[in-house]
Amino acid sequence: DAKTTQPTSMDCAEGRAANLPCNHSTISGNEYVYWYRQIHSQGPQYIIHGLKNNETNEMASLIITEDRKSSTLILPHATLRDTAVYYCIVRTQGGSEKLVFGKGTKLTVNP
Amino acid sequence: EAGVVQSPRYKIIEKKQPVAFWCNPISGHNTLYWYLQNLGQGPELLIRYENEEAVDDSQLPKDRFSAERLKGVDSTLKIQPAELGDSAVYLCASSRDRLHEQYFGPGTRLTVT
Repeated sequence: DAKTTQPTSMDCAEGRAANLPCNHSTISGNEYVYWYRQIHSQGPQYIIHGLKNNETNEMASLIITEDRKSSTLILPHATLRDTAVYYCIVRTQGGSEKLVFGKGTKLTVNP
Repeated sequence: EAGVVQSPRYKIIEKKQPVAFWCNPISGHNTLYWYLQNLGQGPELLIRYENEEAVDDSQLPKDRFSAERLKGVDSTLKIQPAELGDSAVYLCASSRDRLHEQYFGPGTRLTVT
């Protein structure tokens, strides 16, 4: 079973920041938080991952709370092409390498 | 850099027929994964290869599913015979090694009638 809880769906206006929350209250100290997204009719796409520090790359920012029980993926300026299902996954680095996907959050970016 | 290539993109077959899916991972990626994705659900791992060795196939229904990764590069996933419940998207992914992020192909959408 997935170890994360995400809202089923969210909406965001084009050009605004999209903030996608994820709860992972049972996360272990050696588990990373990974985010993938899946645009319709495509395979999942890696976005970002982190352990406890906030991370930023060209696609998004990942904010992890100090207790690591939740995180937020931030798309700073959402575009229509960001409409997708976003998956938050916890994964042990060096242990079980399997990605366990939940149902994710369907983000719809509106014009 | 070329991404993960899968073929065919779509396949329609009658039940009890065999079917095969092909995957070419990103060059240099040693780890290869096959996932199954049912409609409205997230992908589920079927099998993972480290080079040519299957190291995690616990979720692969071995009575009808088989996979191979000859020479540690391309991989084939086969179903024989197919059942109606096998209708799904079959995704292939690869990673540099088991510790790094996975890159997915576009998937093969299988319809069994």
